[in-house]
Amino acid sequence: GAGVSQSPRYKVAKRGQDVALRCDPISGHVSLFWYQQALGQGPEFLTYFQNEAQLDKSGLPSDRFFAERPEGSVSTLKIQRTQQEDSAVYLCASRLSAVTGNTIYFGEGSWLTVV
Amino acid sequence: KQEVTQIPAALSVPEGENLVLNCSFTDSAIYNLQWFRQDPGKGLTSLLLIQSSQREQTSGRLNASLDKSSGRSTLYIAASQPGDSATYLCARGEAGNNRKLIWGLGTSLAVNP
Repeated sequence: GAGVSQSPRYKVAKRGQDVALRCDPISGHVSLFWYQQALGQGPEFLTYFQNEAQLDKSGLPSDRFFAERPEGSVSTLKIQRTQQEDSAVYLCASRLSAVTGNTIYFGEGSWLTVV
Repeated sequence: KQEVTQIPAALSVPEGENLVLNCSFTDSAIYNLQWFRQDPGKGLTSLLLIQSSQREQTSGRLNASLDKSSGRSTLYIAASQPGDSATYLCARGEAGNNRKLIWGLGTSLAVNP
């Protein structure tokens, strides 16, 4: 596609519900990132994929968070048993290669509200 | 601990002014420094990327500088326009395989007609 696409754009979940957020990166982009941005804050790194390999998941806040990119393109971020502190915008970004210097492209985010 | 700090947190200026947004970071061993723009309800748009070996980058009315020794970057916006109103975030890229970004909290800019 022309840009990074994320779905759903908005999600309201009841506390304890599981959610799945989808990211379609730009076609051919090797690197894929997930970031979490709380209201009034800068984004916080969650996890990084290089093709299908999850090379860094050090930012995932708990074992309730799980991400996958099984075929090296579309990625899904899953949050189990959601809690109110999970309310945030979840941003996906992709980059052409693993070499820094290429522009990173962000999607518009998935806005999660846990009630 | 905020590794990347942006000053001011908010700024309101009349149209046409030249302005400077500041970003400071605590780790001088950065890989690169990037400036992004975020509009309400939207994702992030990359504005300028400065590699650690570079001193500045320019794009149109935007100029970003990097001083690694002092741990500072500035974003200069010339002849500001109402369309420049947005939140501007700086992020330093870590060395390493993923080059993940460490972000500031942003400067919220309002340019008034």
